[in-house]
Formats: sequence, C-alpha cells, structure tokens
Amino acid sequence: RKEVEQDPGPFNVPEGATVAFNCTYSNSASQSFFWYRQDCRKEPKLLMSVYSSGNEDGRFTAQLNRASQYISLLIRDSKLSDSATYLCVVNIGTYKYIFGTGTRLKVLA
Amino acid sequence: GAVVSQHPSRVICKSGTSVKIECRSLDFQATTMFWYRQFPKQSLMLMATSNEGSKATYEQGVEKDKFLINHASLTLSTLTVTSAHPEDSSFYICSAFGTPTTGELFFGEGSRLTVL
Repeated sequence: RKEVEQDPGPFNVPEGATVAFNCTYSNSASQSFFWYRQDCRKEPKLLMSVYSSGNEDGRFTAQLNRASQYISLLIRDSKLSDSATYLCVVNIGTYKYIFGTGTRLKVLA
Repeated sequence: GAVVSQHPSRVICKSGTSVKIECRSLDFQATTMFWYRQFPKQSLMLMATSNEGSKATYEQGVEKDKFLINHASLTLSTLTVTSAHPEDSSFYICSAFGTPTTGELFFGEGSRLTVL
C-alpha cells in the first residue's frame, strides 16, 4: 500500500461546479498535512495547510479525518484557472514529506 | 514567501556526460535543502537532503556517487548527475523551508533533464 494515495483522475468538471478530492495516508503518526497545486511542467506551490478542525480559504475547503486517515479538498465554483494537478502531502516526521501522485483537475468552459 | 531559484530549467545532454543543477535560496538562508525527482505522472520522490557544511543524506535506492550533492553555502545547493543515462531523464526539483519555517516547502522552478 502506498503511503499516500490519491485518485489520479482526471476529473473533468464544468465551470462553476463543485469538486472534491480525497487522499488517504497509511502512517498513523503523520503530523501535518497539506494540499499543493502543480501546474503542468511547473513546480508545486502550497494551496493550503490542512488543520484538524478543517479550514477554508475562499472557494477551497480542506478537511482532515484522523480516525479514517484521509484528507479532502473541496473546490466550489470551479474556475478554468483551477485546472491543475492537486498534490496531497503528508509530513511523517522531521523533514519527511510524502507526496501523493496527484489528482488532475480539468475545468471545462 | 521564500524564493527558491533553480537553474538550468532545461538541459539536454549526451549519455555519459555530467550535468550540474543549482538551487539557490534568494531571500533567506537555508541550512537544509531537499532534492526531488519526478517522472511523468508520478509523485515527487525525495532523493536526498542537502545539509550546509556536511554530507547529504540520501534516500534508500539513490546512488550517492551518481547524484553528487554539494551544499557549500547557506544559499546554494548543487546536484550533479554524473555519467547521465537516458533513464536519468526526469524533472529534478529542489526545495527548502522558509525562515522562520511555517512547515511550507518552497520549491525551485525545477530542471527538466533529457539524456539522449
């Protein structure tokens, strides 16, 4: 089993749609969690950290479920510019960040 | 946020040659930098942790003699792919934590290596 698993997609959604991604992790001692966005042939950039109580940043909402060991990302009112690959990242210890393979999102006009 | 710059962004080389990739922290000092490799449609895989003034720590399965890492200053780490072969063709990305760290990793722009 992979340490961090994501559905690779692609998720093809129309503009304005709501889309959700899940990510599961295997290490119960994982300490912190992040969603990064990676555009094609570019470096990853932090989208948001994921807090235990859940957190929201504009159209983006992140949730953490430690009991079931998954995190989620919800995007509301999808924009064309949201098209990218979304990477689930789990910190399992000092300097140890494990990246998921990413979920590809295509927002269609 | 912190700025990490990587150079070159693209390099094409012949099999058997060596290629050096530079990673610089532009507006902060980074005692530790990380080197990742990403193959198409795969996740970023940590290759090694570069420590300023000391030897790099390599992940299991990464050949230290093939991927030479030098972190001679607080703002520069280099990765040299020695005797490159076509299977080394990949996207190499460096990263560092900003100072003070928030847990966010800042990435360089990445270097796409193609070995012919």
